[in-house]
Amino acid sequence: DVQLVESGGGLVKPGGSLRLSCEASGFTFSSFSMNWVRQAPGKGLEWVSSISRDSVYKYYEDSMKGRFTISRDNAKDSLYLQINSLRAEDTAVYFCSRSSAKKDFDYWGQGVLVTVSS
Amino acid sequence: QSALTQPASVSGSPGQSITISCTGAILDVGKYNIVSWYQQHPGKVPKLMIYEVTKRPSGVSTRFSGSKSGNTASLTISGLQADDEGDYYCCSFTGRSSLYVFGGGTKVTVL
Repeated sequence: DVQLVESGGGLVKPGGSLRLSCEASGFTFSSFSMNWVRQAPGKGLEWVSSISRDSVYKYYEDSMKGRFTISRDNAKDSLYLQINSLRAEDTAVYFCSRSSAKKDFDYWGQGVLVTVSS
Repeated sequence: QSALTQPASVSGSPGQSITISCTGAILDVGKYNIVSWYQQHPGKVPKLMIYEVTKRPSGVSTRFSGSKSGNTASLTISGLQADDEGDYYCCSFTGRSSLYVFGGGTKVTVL
């Protein structure tokens, strides 16, 4: 079975940094593009970033460029999201998701909560 | 970029059909047949219900169907059931540097 397990969330002060991780299993990780999608408390889904299978292509939501960095390690079946200069509005559950060849998000992790507060 | 526009809420009685609209722009929904729909129950993980505008993943009920006309995509749920209650999100591929855009979500209530 496909499994995506996020980790690395927690309470961070404004201006701080955090690195989220997503460990994949049950499929050939290196064959799929991967994504981060977030959901602020009580709000809707928001696409954050995507990375191609070989890390050559990386995409970010316009407002997140410069502070967010997506990366992956295919040898470790892992996806990462580095977030710098954290702001209160970055408070959200961050989901790791897999892109199928049809460019949808066919599998999702359980999500990891990031809370930015002083 | 702006989120796709969805109605905040839609409701229906058991057995009825409802349709959720998702309005984008000519550069996303209008240009690409890469619109997907997700169901999310409270506190749960989103679930893919429709991909490529009209296609259902294996295991998704045939009561769920998708369509598109111009810049607006739609999700129809027929034979509404209590378990259909939840939030529904559309998503479109944009082909731009911001690769995807989600709708604001629609809360479906079964009366």
